[in-house]
Amino acid sequence: DQQVKQNSPSLSVQEGRISILNCDYTNSMFDYFLWYKKYPAEGPTFLISISSIKDKNEDGRFTVFLNKSAKHLSLHIVPSQPGDSAVYFCAVTGANSKLTFGKGITLSVRP
Amino acid sequence: EAQVTQNPRYLITVTGKKLTVTCSQNMNHEYMSWYRQDPGLGLRQIYYSMNVEVTDKGDVPEGYKVSRKEKRNFPLILESPSPNQTSLYFCASRPDRGLSVAFFGQGTRLTVV
Repeated sequence: DQQVKQNSPSLSVQEGRISILNCDYTNSMFDYFLWYKKYPAEGPTFLISISSIKDKNEDGRFTVFLNKSAKHLSLHIVPSQPGDSAVYFCAVTGANSKLTFGKGITLSVRP
Repeated sequence: EAQVTQNPRYLITVTGKKLTVTCSQNMNHEYMSWYRQDPGLGLRQIYYSMNVEVTDKGDVPEGYKVSRKEKRNFPLILESPSPNQTSLYFCASRPDRGLSVAFFGQGTRLTVV
């Protein structure tokens, strides 16, 4: 049973436009949400996170939005750059400390 | 430099030949874990450890063993590898079991023939 769903396997956007990556989760007890970015032949690297007490967190071009009632979070990248092309994983954790990942979304930013 | 180091990066082996993938972190993190990444399945947790001598199963532990004799090291052991364990493996560490960020190693590409 998937606890973290990234339903779109891929996304292609034009350089300079906004990229919106979505993630849904099933358990309302999760209270910390993270996005990781992964390039080929490298390990995932932390990008941005948000705790359940907030609904928005911003870091430069990256913003994560959390909608607890909908159990939905999204990552916005503005403006998108070709170097942002990578696989993006949504991850959640809670009281049991386990970090659970989604299947990932492959983002391609076209020059 | 703070890092998680895995070795080897690439490994091709034959069915049934025991192997160990090493993982070491230099950040004094308590919490370490192993994941495997497979196409269409994302990252799935194999085993985790909350501290020295404390380990537990993740979502896909079958066919794997781990040990945590020292805080910095968390090796992954495949006693009798099978082709379905062909995968990309990642070790990760976190400061503690709380709401903290995990740091990942570079990955180990394992092929079992």
